[in-house]
Amino acid sequence: SQQGEEDPQALSIQEGENATMNCSYKTSINNLQWYRQNSGRGLVHLILIRSNEREKHSGRLRVTLDTSKKSSSLLITASRAADTASYFCATDGGTSYGKLTFGQGTILTVHP
Amino acid sequence: GAGVSQSPRYKVAKRGQDVALRCDPISGHVSLFWYQQALGQGPEFLTYFQNEAQLDKSGLPSDRFFAERPEGSVSTLKIQRTQQEDSAVYLCASSLLTLAEYSNQPQHFGDGTRLSIL
Repeated sequence: SQQGEEDPQALSIQEGENATMNCSYKTSINNLQWYRQNSGRGLVHLILIRSNEREKHSGRLRVTLDTSKKSSSLLITASRAADTASYFCATDGGTSYGKLTFGQGTILTVHP
Repeated sequence: GAGVSQSPRYKVAKRGQDVALRCDPISGHVSLFWYQQALGQGPEFLTYFQNEAQLDKSGLPSDRFFAERPEGSVSTLKIQRTQQEDSAVYLCASSLLTLAEYSNQPQHFGDGTRLSIL
């Protein structure tokens, strides 16, 4: 069963706009990760934020983590048509070997 | 290889048939995971291998599902007497070390096998 919830389920924006996706989870974590999945493909790792970090940047990506609220957000700035994909957050649930629990994902569509 | 390779990419089987799905992880990766992804959903954990040892199979839906990694590299997920609810994409992922050796490492995913049971 899915442990996390993502919001919104779908997001449609124009190229150049920013996209924000949110994720909530239920258990304690070592880290939270964001992955991208293009249609018919596997998941590609985007960014990992540790439980003791509050914000992290990578290129056009900005991730925040609030462990008190058990929530995270992913911001994609200056979006491009190539960013069109499904985005998933995943937590490791504090396990010793990194078993991931995924949210249901946000489908992002960026119109050129 | 450069990435995680899964075969076949697509598999169609009749209900009741047995299927075998293969995963070639990145060379040298210790940890290997199998996930099941239903249409429109996020992946769900099935099982975990550390080298050849299957340390967690808590996510396997039934005893019809069996996974192995006999030499600590290639892994096979077998589903016996397939049923329509087994239709899904099966994803394999690997990571270099165990979490105990290096925490906070990403998993590298293959493109999956799309299984359709008629």
